[in-house]
Amino acid sequence: DIQMTQSPSSLSASVGDRVTITCRASQGISNYLAWYQQQPGKLPKLLIYAASTLQSGAPARFSGSQSGTDFTLTISSLQPEDVATYFCQKYDSAPLTFGGGTKVEIK
Amino acid sequence: QVQLVESGGGVVQPGRSLRVTCAASGFTFRSYAMHWVRQAPGKGLEWVAVISYDGYNKYYADSVKGRFTISRDNSKNTLSLQMNSLRAEDTAVYYCANSITAALSWPFEYWGQGTLVTVSS
Repeated sequence: DIQMTQSPSSLSASVGDRVTITCRASQGISNYLAWYQQQPGKLPKLLIYAASTLQSGAPARFSGSQSGTDFTLTISSLQPEDVATYFCQKYDSAPLTFGGGTKVEIK
Repeated sequence: QVQLVESGGGVVQPGRSLRVTCAASGFTFRSYAMHWVRQAPGKGLEWVAVISYDGYNKYYADSVKGRFTISRDNSKNTLSLQMNSLRAEDTAVYYCANSITAALSWPFEYWGQGTLVTVSS
């Protein structure tokens, strides 16, 4: 099965900083990659799908990109409400594996 | 609006069985694939299983294959997960989730509130 490796596992940044999270697939998954945000105590929320398509309602400061089997979630200007754990997920076929998560905190 | 409501969680001894269900409303349940996802306390998300709209195609995570069975009743708009031979590592909040698409594999727009399953003696 394809493994999804997310990095870093946690990060701390200041409000207004640009934040980057990476997810690497162990094999090609085309662009079948989604990103979720899970704020503390809340349900996961779909942010991006098809590697770079912003889900309706997600803030425009979130963006996604792809280079081969490497995927990146970028927050252009970190806001206090972005404190959360972020997960990538492949959905080319079952199993729909999630990455291990990246916990984002405010410095 | 789409609503997914899980039930059936609880405390169960290792080796025993439990069945959790998800009641769906607000969309044409029989037309869409449905998934189970779990999250152990303080841990990440783990995809568990998917069932096609008609119930004919089912896929499982390796960690539950042979022990868990996903099923659906399109006449009652319910999704179920029968969990047998439970282990301590199955302790988690179990969520049903889906997207309103025909695809079997698609990211999840909708999540239930989850039901906690605790496997402990």
